[in-house]
Amino acid sequence: QKEVEQNSGPLSVPEGAIASLNCTYSDRGSQSFFWYRQYSGKSPELIMFIYSNGDKEDGRFTAQLNKASQYVSLLIRDSQPSDSATYLCAVNPRSSASKIIFGSGTRLSIRP
Amino acid sequence: NAGVMQNPRHLVRRRGQEARLRCSPMKGHSHVYWYRQLPEEGLKFMVYLQKENIIDESGMPKERFSAEFPKEGPSILRIQQVVRGDSAAYFCASSPKRDTNTDTQYFGPGTRLTVL
Repeated sequence: QKEVEQNSGPLSVPEGAIASLNCTYSDRGSQSFFWYRQYSGKSPELIMFIYSNGDKEDGRFTAQLNKASQYVSLLIRDSQPSDSATYLCAVNPRSSASKIIFGSGTRLSIRP
Repeated sequence: NAGVMQNPRHLVRRRGQEARLRCSPMKGHSHVYWYRQLPEEGLKFMVYLQKENIIDESGMPKERFSAEFPKEGPSILRIQQVVRGDSAAYFCASSPKRDTNTDTQYFGPGTRLTVL
């Protein structure tokens, strides 16, 4: 089992709709969770981080964390073509406080 | 306010040569992380360094790869006797302190290594 798993996609969503990206992780003791966005050929940029169960909202983005189910998601409201990118889920596992484990990413495509 | 800087942005080497990748963290950051990304794959952790110390190198291949972060100057990831499988994007990230519960990692633009 991979430490951080994501559906590779591509996930196609119409412009203006809600895009839902999902991620599961294996280390039950993981404490910190991150979502990065990566455009093709570019470096990852942090969108959101979440530490506590529940929802965290920032503009059009909402991160949701359910530690009991070992599940974290990212919702993007009012999707724009500029949201088309690969979204990387990342987890700081209990086994190591010094590194972040990344999923392989979900490709999101927003169609006009 | 300069972000994380990496150079070169693109590096071409022939098999058997050495590759040196440099990373200057953001101002005020003393923690550096190196990641490797193969095409169509996620980021793989390689090594975490503080000034003059390697803290976690659990993701580094046992041979040919080394990293340092000297007291003065950038962090350097060194790959000796490169092979075609080393072709990848190498990203550096920095954070102000070790506790990832309160600090996030900021990524540089990456170095794209091509081994011919």
